[in-house]
Amino acid sequence: RKEVEQDPGPFNVPEGATVAFNCTYSNSASQSFFWYRQDCRKEPKLLMSVYSSGNEDGRFTAQLNRASQYISLLIRDSKLSDSATYLCVGNNAGGTSYGKLTFGQGTILTVHP
Amino acid sequence: GAVVSQHPSWVICKSGTSVKIECRSLDFQATTMFWYRQFPKQSLMLMATSNEGSKATYEQGVEKDKFLINHASLTLSTLTVTSAHPEDSSFYICSASSRGTEKLFFGSGTQLSVL
Repeated sequence: RKEVEQDPGPFNVPEGATVAFNCTYSNSASQSFFWYRQDCRKEPKLLMSVYSSGNEDGRFTAQLNRASQYISLLIRDSKLSDSATYLCVGNNAGGTSYGKLTFGQGTILTVHP
Repeated sequence: GAVVSQHPSWVICKSGTSVKIECRSLDFQATTMFWYRQFPKQSLMLMATSNEGSKATYEQGVEKDKFLINHASLTLSTLTVTSAHPEDSSFYICSASSRGTEKLFFGSGTQLSVL
């Protein structure tokens, strides 16, 4: 079983739609989680961190449920520029090993006019 | 903000040759460098972790003699793919962190095509 699993999609939605991505993780010791977005053949870019209390950044809302080992990302009012691959990411190590990330396989989102 | 410069952006080489990829941290000390590989339509897979001045720690299934990692300074890490074969064709990307900070910076990636 993969450490971080995502529905690969693809998700094809019209502009203005609300879309939700889900992710599950198997390592209960994982300390922190993130959503990254990656455009084709580019480096992944941090979208937001994910907290148990839930966090919102503009049109994006992320949620972590440690009991269910489940992470979500909600995008409201989708824009064409939101088209990308969204990566669910866990960070299993702390201290001096910060940054050893485990990536999900990514969920492809295409927003069309 | 901090920047990691990765070079080259893409490289095409013949089978059997070696290819070196460089990652430089431009305005911070990269105490730890991570090297990832990404095949088409797949996720980024960690290949190895290197701490400045130490030998790299390789993930299971990654051949250390084939993928040579050098992290001799706080601003430079290199990945050398030795005797490259077509199955090594992939997107290689580095990320760097600095001890004591919870910041992580990615290079822009290198697309390697082995003919």
